Amino acid sequence: AQSVTQLDSQVPVFEEAPVELRCNYSSSVSVYLFWYVQYPNQGLQLLLKYLSGSTLVKGINGFEAEFNKSQTSFHLRKPSVHISDTAEYFCAVTPLSGGYNKLIFGAGTRLAVHP
Amino acid sequence: DTEVTQTPKHLVMGMTNKKSLKCEQHMGHRAMYWYKQKAKKPPELMFVYSYEKLSINESVPSRFSPECPNSSLLNLHLHALQPEDSALYLCASSQAASGNQETQYFGPGTRLLVL
Repeated sequence: AQSVTQLDSQVPVFEEAPVELRCNYSSSVSVYLFWYVQYPNQGLQLLLKYLSGSTLVKGINGFEAEFNKSQTSFHLRKPSVHISDTAEYFCAVTPLSGGYNKLIFGAGTRLAVHP
Repeated sequence: DTEVTQTPKHLVMGMTNKKSLKCEQHMGHRAMYWYKQKAKKPPELMFVYSYEKLSINESVPSRFSPECPNSSLLNLHLHALQPEDSALYLCASSQAASGNQETQYFGPGTRLLVL
């Protein structure tokens, strides 16, 4: 079984400051990792995903994430945030093989960007 | 076009009503999903359809009845719901239901209130 822990439920930050949203996972098998963003009153949008290869993954809107297998982490970063980045961010995993494409989500981190 | 559309955007229904939620995608995806998202919680998988056949039912109560009339459409029929079923219902689609690296594309959701 897999589980995802997002260590911060809320992250307040000032505009143009850097931000890191933390994600740790637990799994007995190898997993694919995803970050989704949910803007207010909207569905989820994929920011980036790690499947294999380089552990530094670049996504949309200037976000990037680094996969660390030894620490079972997949933290999301942005060097300079904008007001428009205010949203809920979900980390998710799915096992590499077997079964159907079932995403297991973390509880979410609310990023609040202040002017 | 990576759009998944859902109708209606909002729905209010009584506990004795019958209503349906509709989801549509024209990306040629062969897998479609229903998720339930309670306030301030992550999405929870309800059903997975693969090639128009129900592949996963996550022990969802029978008052929720999914239907996939064709590869582009997914419905969720609602009957005799309870107030605790009030939530955002999200539809998603992916190229395939297996091959877990597939990105799931989410619709904006239907916000359901059961009185």
